[in-house]
Amino acid sequence: EPEVTQTPSHQVTQMGQEVILRCVPISNHLYFYWYRQILGQKVEFLVSFYNNEISEKSEIFDDQFSVERPDGSNFTLKIRSTKLEDSAMYFCASSEQGEEVQSEQFFGPGTRLTVL
Amino acid sequence: GEDVEQSLFLSVREGDSSVINCTYTDSSSTYLYWYKQEPGAGLQLLTYIFSNMDMKQDQRLTVLLNKKDKHLSLRIADTQTGDSAIYFCADSTDSWGKLQFGAGTQVVVTP
Repeated sequence: EPEVTQTPSHQVTQMGQEVILRCVPISNHLYFYWYRQILGQKVEFLVSFYNNEISEKSEIFDDQFSVERPDGSNFTLKIRSTKLEDSAMYFCASSEQGEEVQSEQFFGPGTRLTVL
Repeated sequence: GEDVEQSLFLSVREGDSSVINCTYTDSSSTYLYWYKQEPGAGLQLLTYIFSNMDMKQDQRLTVLLNKKDKHLSLRIADTQTGDSAIYFCADSTDSWGKLQFGAGTQVVVTP
């Protein structure tokens, strides 16, 4: 069964360093998402991406964050200069289609980011 | 801002029914979802309901929606130990848009 994969499963970094979290969405999916969950808190939406551009982003997704689909299979989230409060589990999701038809978002297993 | 709230913990005996409750505030919510998260795994969609429905049944799962009170519930019949997980309620205002999640309800099934 196709699934969303994410690498690495756990990333430890020093404050101020850049990190890139990688996701491989399901191959025929068109919509891509990043969410995060700070320990003990809710899963929060960060950004959605369609047709090679951001379709929606939250207040959390400031200038330190960027997303890219560099090669047609990977979908990446970059944090330019990590802060302690960026420590969280980051989930990637993808869905097949949208607009007229309800489409399930399939989630990856997450990358745990720890900023020291 | 808009919010989704759910109780944090539920303990249930194997074979009993579980009922997980959720309230939301966004009156323009169109789809309401229940996701399950097992340890070390991603979020798995269990079921969803469109806002013009009151109830949806899918095998052991029954979703009830009270749109007037903005209250959503998930009933799991004949709860099994494999149902032990965190259950997240979520809503969205369109079919492809962002999901807004509750904090999750930890369900523990005891023998």
